[in-house]
Amino acid sequence: GNSVTQMEGPVTLSEEAFLTINCTYTATGYPSLFWYVQYPGEGLQLLLKATKADDKGSNKGFEATYRKETTSFHLEKGSVQVSDSAVYFCALRRGSTLGRLYFGRGTQLTVWP
Amino acid sequence: NAGVTQTPKFRVLKTGQSMTLLCAQDMNHEYMYWYRQDPGMGLRLIHYSVGEGTTAKGEVPDGYNVSRLKKQNFLLGLESAAPSQTSVYFCASSYSKDNNYGYTFGSGTRLTVV
Repeated sequence: GNSVTQMEGPVTLSEEAFLTINCTYTATGYPSLFWYVQYPGEGLQLLLKATKADDKGSNKGFEATYRKETTSFHLEKGSVQVSDSAVYFCALRRGSTLGRLYFGRGTQLTVWP
Repeated sequence: NAGVTQTPKFRVLKTGQSMTLLCAQDMNHEYMYWYRQDPGMGLRLIHYSVGEGTTAKGEVPDGYNVSRLKKQNFLLGLESAAPSQTSVYFCASSYSKDNNYGYTFGSGTRLTVV
């Protein structure tokens, strides 16, 4: 079946620290991979995506590379800010499953000044 | 602003009461989804629709019903609310089932059943 596993949080960092949130997936075929971010009290927003192996998605200083050999899509940022505090969700999508997104459980990130 | 609008934003129900959550999108999206979000559980799919007049069950459909009479609206109903349905509910839509497209989410409805 299709599933996503994220590292469990919470993750607490100081401002300007390096961030990695691990994400691995299980899927048949060739899924697309996504990272969504949820700020307090809000809905989920698309952060970045990658649609094929070796693609790198990037946005707002965040990056993730689609690694088919390790079935991973780890989220990284070189220098986090207090405003990055949020919950981050990794997800995969396969069109053959009627476009359903499969989400990980989410990772809470808190950044202290 | 274009996007997905959910109403209401907050609601408190007594056990056994009924209510309908409304989701409206103005992007002409074919696909619409209802998720619930619970602490430590991530997002779980309740029901979804692949077009006007169609609905299908997701992972956790029990206790909920849905309707998609108009393409832009997707309604989620609770016929007899239970405390286990206390959750945050998110609606989402997508242009197609193509892998390249993600979802656009609404801002959520926080429901408490007492």
